[in-house]
Amino acid sequence: SQQGEEDPQALSIQEGENATMNCSYKTSINNLQWYRQNSGRGLVHLILIRSNEREKHSGRLRVTLDTSKKSSSLLITASRAADTASYFCATPTRDYGQNFVFGPGTRLSVLP
Amino acid sequence: DAGVIQSPRHEVTEMGQEVTLRCKPISGHNSLFWYRQTMMRGLELLIYFNNNVPIDDSGMPEDRFSAKMPNASFSTLKIQPSEPRDSAVYFCASSLDGNTEAFFGQGTRLTVV
Repeated sequence: SQQGEEDPQALSIQEGENATMNCSYKTSINNLQWYRQNSGRGLVHLILIRSNEREKHSGRLRVTLDTSKKSSSLLITASRAADTASYFCATPTRDYGQNFVFGPGTRLSVLP
Repeated sequence: DAGVIQSPRHEVTEMGQEVTLRCKPISGHNSLFWYRQTMMRGLELLIYFNNNVPIDDSGMPEDRFSAKMPNASFSTLKIQPSEPRDSAVYFCASSLDGNTEAFFGQGTRLTVV
């Protein structure tokens, strides 16, 4: 069974707008990671936030983590057409066997 | 390091044939994952190895699928006999410790006709 699940399943925005997607999970985590997948390619790691952190930035990416609500959000600011991709979260726990079970992802389309 | 290397990149085979997919993880990584991705089922975790030992193979769809990791630098996923419904992109990924960043290969696109 999957630990993390992303929403919305699809998101369409105009270039320059911000995109926000969410990840909810079920059990205590060691950290939470966001990945991007361009069509037909392997997933690429974007950012990792540890369970004792609440917010993290990397370039145009901002990740927040609320362990009380068991949820995280990924914000992409000033989106570009090149950000068009699917985005997934991973939620490693002590049960290592389920660490990299991914949900359906959020399919982001950035329109020029 | 060249990253996770998968071969072949594309494979077309006839139903009933044996298919072997190969993966070379990043040197020093102790965790290796095999995934299958289709439009219908999304990205499915098939099996997870830690220190060359299969830890969780609950995602392997049926006995036709088998995976091995004879050493820290090589893993195979075998399908015998293959069926059209096995057509998918198969990814291999490795992680330093199964807890931090996972690195994915480019995938093998399998078509069974």
